[in-house]
Amino acid sequence: EVQLVESGGGLVQPGGSLRVSCAASGFTFSSYEMNWVRQAPGKGLEWVSYISSSGSTMYYADSVKGRFTISRDNAKNSLYLQMNSLRAEDTAVYYCARGARGIRFAFDIWGQGTMVTVSS
Amino acid sequence: DIQMTQSPSSLSASVGDRVTITCRASQSISSYLNWYQQKPGKAPNLLIYAASSLQSGVPSRFSGSGSGTDFTLTISSLQPEDFATYYCQQSYSTPFTFGPGTEVEIK
Repeated sequence: EVQLVESGGGLVQPGGSLRVSCAASGFTFSSYEMNWVRQAPGKGLEWVSYISSSGSTMYYADSVKGRFTISRDNAKNSLYLQMNSLRAEDTAVYYCARGARGIRFAFDIWGQGTMVTVSS
Repeated sequence: DIQMTQSPSSLSASVGDRVTITCRASQSISSYLNWYQQKPGKAPNLLIYAASSLQSGVPSRFSGSGSGTDFTLTISSLQPEDFATYYCQQSYSTPFTFGPGTEVEIK
């Protein structure tokens, strides 16, 4: 079964750091582009970051650029998002999402999400 | 950045109704437009990609059309499991922006 499972969410103080992870299974992880998408409570979807299959190319939303870093370990079938200098407005469910093969930047498989709460 | 708008923001419909949701981009995005369905407490699900292509496993009552700046998602005969929020997303350029969503409710 194709699956993405996020972990690592939690409560963190403003200015703090957190790393969330996404474990992939059921497909050849190293062949797929990956993304992080977030959703603040009661709000819509916001794309956060993209990484190419090899890990050589990354893109970020302006709202997180310079604070968040996306990375992947293809040997461990894992995707990561390192979040630094966290703000209250970063509070959201963070989803990892697989890039659909051959379809420009569409997201065909999503994890269940991990909640990140930034609060003192 | 490309801004995405959707209309209506919500609608009430009955089972069996034909439902149309509109998505507009602030500039031309060719056919780089995707549609997702999200149910409460669940992750989004890809329905339509490249404006009009049906994702594998998605019922044929869902269809998409449009190009340039104006797009539509149509549900030909609304089913009980279709009550959800629908989002469009442009994949033309970063940041890959989503529309604000359209909530489809039971009348």
